[in-house]
Amino acid sequence: NAGVTQTPKFQVLKTGQSMTLQCAQDMNHEYMSWYRQDPGMGLRLIHYSVGAGITDQGEVPNGYNVSRSTTEDFPLRLLSAAPSQTSVYFCASRAGTSGRAVKNEQFFGPGTRLTVL
Amino acid sequence: QKEVEQDPGPLSVPEGAIVSLNCTYSNSAFQYFMWYRQYSRKGPELLMYTYSSGNKEDGRFTAQVDKSSKYISLFIRDSQPSDSATYLCAIINAGGTSYGKLTFGQGTILTVHP
Repeated sequence: NAGVTQTPKFQVLKTGQSMTLQCAQDMNHEYMSWYRQDPGMGLRLIHYSVGAGITDQGEVPNGYNVSRSTTEDFPLRLLSAAPSQTSVYFCASRAGTSGRAVKNEQFFGPGTRLTVL
Repeated sequence: QKEVEQDPGPLSVPEGAIVSLNCTYSNSAFQYFMWYRQYSRKGPELLMYTYSSGNKEDGRFTAQVDKSSKYISLFIRDSQPSDSATYLCAIINAGGTSYGKLTFGQGTILTVHP
């Protein structure tokens, strides 16, 4: 298993540009999520999905869109990049959040380092 | 107030020292307790996982949970330079409207000097 994969590893954008961060997992996990990590702020949840076709907002959703058309993929779209979105972005997956799956660990991808100029 | 508070550090210790990393939480519905380790420029990886109060040991690492005090700790014995990383506590909510929600502490940066 490749686990959770993310592309690209690094990206530099200009203010106002749009882009999509890709995330895929091959563990057949229902739950997928996107975090951003900034110094001193820990991991902050942007958006999450509990299954194909279902997405919801986390604590910092503004400026980002997501969709979940398949179980495997969960792309994150930056609509109009701003310098405040300079961060490291992590995608994560988990078997589920209910029943027995609530105890399952969350797996993280390697991250995408994004700089917005 | 954050639901999970973690001592921010950073911590700098000599090789061989005992390291103590700590988190407190406020929600009594928090039931499953994890420690993730994150090396520089990598994603977090699960290090320790415990469901109940008490101690769980794995080699040089011991995870301790005190549900009555809402306090969790990670101890590292005989610390090595390879232990230098950011350590994040993470807790799963097993009750109420936030059932299944995973909440992270802010992370503590640890450096172990040779």
